[in-house]
Amino acid sequence: NAGVMQNPRHLVRRRGQEARLRCSPMKGHSHVYWYRQLPEEGLKFMVYLQKENIIDESGMPKERFSAEFPKEGPSILRIQQVVRGDSAAYFCASSPRKEKLFFGSGTQLSVL
Amino acid sequence: GESVGLHLPTLSVQEGDNSIINCAYSNSASDYFIWYKQESGKGPQFIIDIRSNMDKRQGQRVTVLLNKTVKHLSLQIAATQPGDSAVYFCAETLTGANNLFFGTGTRLTVIP
Repeated sequence: NAGVMQNPRHLVRRRGQEARLRCSPMKGHSHVYWYRQLPEEGLKFMVYLQKENIIDESGMPKERFSAEFPKEGPSILRIQQVVRGDSAAYFCASSPRKEKLFFGSGTQLSVL
Repeated sequence: GESVGLHLPTLSVQEGDNSIINCAYSNSASDYFIWYKQESGKGPQFIIDIRSNMDKRQGQRVTVLLNKTVKHLSLQIAATQPGDSAVYFCAETLTGANNLFFGTGTRLTVIP
């Protein structure tokens, strides 16, 4: 049973470009979470989704950031018009129910 | 918002010794706690969890203690090994809540 798969592992973008981060949850998991981590800091919640629905996006900036979890395919975290402050590690987690989260290896986004 | 904090940002122990990592939480309503281990370049890995109706829970070489009176959580690692070197995070949540709140983390270094 494969774990949570994230790609790409590393993503480099120039300011103003778009970044798309993908996450395939573990088999049988219908809950997906996105977290952001700055160096030497803890993870900060961004958004919680179930299939085709955004349940809680209270941690996600209202501008430039969006997330989806379509009926088919991976969950996508999209950042438009990236700025240097968006540089961080973005982790996806999935769960068969709330609470016990299993994390992927993350996508390291670097904005030049 | 509520926060989860750790007393010590770094901890160095000799191989074979026991390690104790502490965590203070501020939300007295939190009823579910998890310890995660994060190695460099990887996502957080679930170690052990505990619910607020318990004071202690043991896993393989790890024990989590919960003191609700002082809102304190600790992770004990027995016979610490070099492979235990990582950053350890405690996370808290309330049953039914949409996300986990993570602390800043403690970096554990095991000296051979």
